[in-house]
Amino acid sequence: DIQMTQSPSSVSASVGDRVTITCRASQGISRWVAWYQQKPGEAPRLLIYDAWTVHSGVPSRFSGSVSGTEFTLTISSLQPEDFGTFYCQQATSLPFTFGGGTRVEIK
Amino acid sequence: QVTLKESGPALVKPTQTLTLTCTFSGFSLRTSGMRVNWIRQPPGKALEWLARIDWDGDKFYSESLKTRLTISKDTPKNQVVLKMTNLDPIDTATYYCARTPGRNVNWFDSWGQGILVTVSS
Repeated sequence: DIQMTQSPSSVSASVGDRVTITCRASQGISRWVAWYQQKPGEAPRLLIYDAWTVHSGVPSRFSGSVSGTEFTLTISSLQPEDFGTFYCQQATSLPFTFGGGTRVEIK
Repeated sequence: QVTLKESGPALVKPTQTLTLTCTFSGFSLRTSGMRVNWIRQPPGKALEWLARIDWDGDKFYSESLKTRLTISKDTPKNQVVLKMTNLDPIDTATYYCARTPGRNVNWFDSWGQGILVTVSS
């Protein structure tokens, strides 16, 4: 199985800060990664797919990039509603695997 | 508007079989490329993909759980059913169904609200 190692496990930032979350794949997976946001008590919500394509309805402050096997989710200017846990997911081969999650807290 | 909703028991005893139903609307498994997945999340832990069924009837399972899982579909009813045998307390989790919207994609664009299943005697 492809392992997705996500970091950091948690981050606390202020409104307006730039936040970066990273996922490293255990092998080459081209650009096939998706990112999700999950708020407490809710289902995950798709933010980005294919490494950098922003899903419909997702604010433009969310962006994704890739360099080799390292995938990055960036929130350019953190907003109060951006709290929750963010997960990456490799979408290249079965079984689809997720990172361990990054909890984002608003200071 | 695409919606999915999970239903089933909230409490199951160890060794029993769990049957979960995903009822969806806004799309059909008659449509080429459509797929429905089951994903679970133990309390406070990360997401784990379990199984997928495709529009053409193809089925895929997590290797570590494949001997215990069966996925099936009732296309006219817009339902997908997951059965898991020989439940153990470590199977306690919120179970989600989620849609994969196309033939060449492997991400999940719509999710159900989830159902918390507790395995306990």
